[in-house]
Amino acid sequence: DAKTTQPNSMESNEEEPVHLPCNHSTISGTDYIHWYRQLPSQGPEYVIHGLTSNVNNRMASLAIAEDRKSSTLILHRATLRDAAVYYCILRDWGSGNAGNMLTFGGGTRLMVKP
Amino acid sequence: DAGVTQSPTHLIKTRGQQVTLRCSPKSGHDTVSWYQQALGQGPQFIFQYYEEEERQRGNFPDRFSGHQFPNYSSELNVNALLLGDSALYLCASSLAATTGLNIQYFGAGTRLSVL
Repeated sequence: DAKTTQPNSMESNEEEPVHLPCNHSTISGTDYIHWYRQLPSQGPEYVIHGLTSNVNNRMASLAIAEDRKSSTLILHRATLRDAAVYYCILRDWGSGNAGNMLTFGGGTRLMVKP
Repeated sequence: DAGVTQSPTHLIKTRGQQVTLRCSPKSGHDTVSWYQQALGQGPQFIFQYYEEEERQRGNFPDRFSGHQFPNYSSELNVNALLLGDSALYLCASSLAATTGLNIQYFGAGTRLSVL
């Protein structure tokens, strides 16, 4: 399976934008890039996903490099509630059932300072 | 609309015992996956159930088994507990999809401590 590399931790100030990087140099043409986050004492929750083009939703934006070997999750204005572990995950849309599982790495622990 | 619910929230067992964890999926979902999360690590996939059958399995021993009921709820059973089985056990539900892009919705987990 293609793997992802993320920094162990990052720090941000409240109300400022946050850019969370993810490297996936061995990504294949059929891999989607998914982001989940895990708030303290909760299970992971879906944030966003994309294939080639940049994506926006109410939670975040996803910027994907032209060669798809890296991506960045963007939180436009961090709040204290955004303090969580953020996971970047590759999911193979062409592998049928094999793509249904989520393969988590260590993720990035985001700390937000008031 | 209730999300994914898991019970119990916490559990303490001793080595060698057996444990059963329960999960009710989000309304309308038919697929349940189980994950194990050790302290400070990301969740690790155990297995997935669809149409009452195990559809996919991660790298876990046969001591870990599961079941899905006709109402789509699921149980995770662990036999002959080891100290290393202490972890947060997460259940996730989703709609069946062949593309693997279905969003998974997680419960808050069951914290299992093995003494």
